[in-house]
Amino acid sequence: GAGVSQSPSNKVTEKGKDVELRCDPISGHTALYWYRQSLGQGLEFLIYFQGNSAPDKSGLPSDRFSAERTGGSVSTLTIQRTQQEDSAVYLCASTLGQGWETQYFGPGTRLLVL
Amino acid sequence: AQKVTQAQTEISVVEKEDVTLDCVYETRDTTYYLFWYKQPPSGELVFLIRRNSFDEQNEISGRYSWNFQKSTSSFNFTITASQVVDSAVYFCALIKGGTSYGKLTFGQGTILTVHP
Repeated sequence: GAGVSQSPSNKVTEKGKDVELRCDPISGHTALYWYRQSLGQGLEFLIYFQGNSAPDKSGLPSDRFSAERTGGSVSTLTIQRTQQEDSAVYLCASTLGQGWETQYFGPGTRLLVL
Repeated sequence: AQKVTQAQTEISVVEKEDVTLDCVYETRDTTYYLFWYKQPPSGELVFLIRRNSFDEQNEISGRYSWNFQKSTSSFNFTITASQVVDSAVYFCALIKGGTSYGKLTFGQGTILTVHP
């Protein structure tokens, strides 16, 4: 079956612009995670969605970052007023739902803020 | 808080050599889950293995093997007879057990280069 998909694959934007990154989880997976991979910080957790529960936003680095998940499936990560330090690869993962289950990752979105 | 340490930043080997990637973790929880992921040049994180804290049995999958030792808080990964296609960044990660969700805590990764 299809894996996790993310779009766009690459995004170049100017400082101060807003960007939206999209994630389509594996069909039937109820849990969805966003991570960020950057040279200085490695792989870090951003936000978690599980079904209809309130998301865990504890990893979001600032209030410029937000995410939503519509219909329990597709998720959008929005970064407002982008800064150069936002340049990174944004990875999405999904699982069937239990916390200990294996997370399957998408190919990521490479964001470059000029 | 959890912490995962991969002390080897980069490893370079020649094809057919065996190579071991080290992973040491820290957690106060008795229930936890350990993972290894591979990140080839394409960038996607590929799942390799998951282990729970109650199962110290070592595992072998083809040329890959994993050694889990709770006494030393280590979960090392060995590739036997390495191949050029094994070149990638390898990440060790941990999930705290007993919670409703699995926030992965990753190590810094080990860059493995296998030369022909």
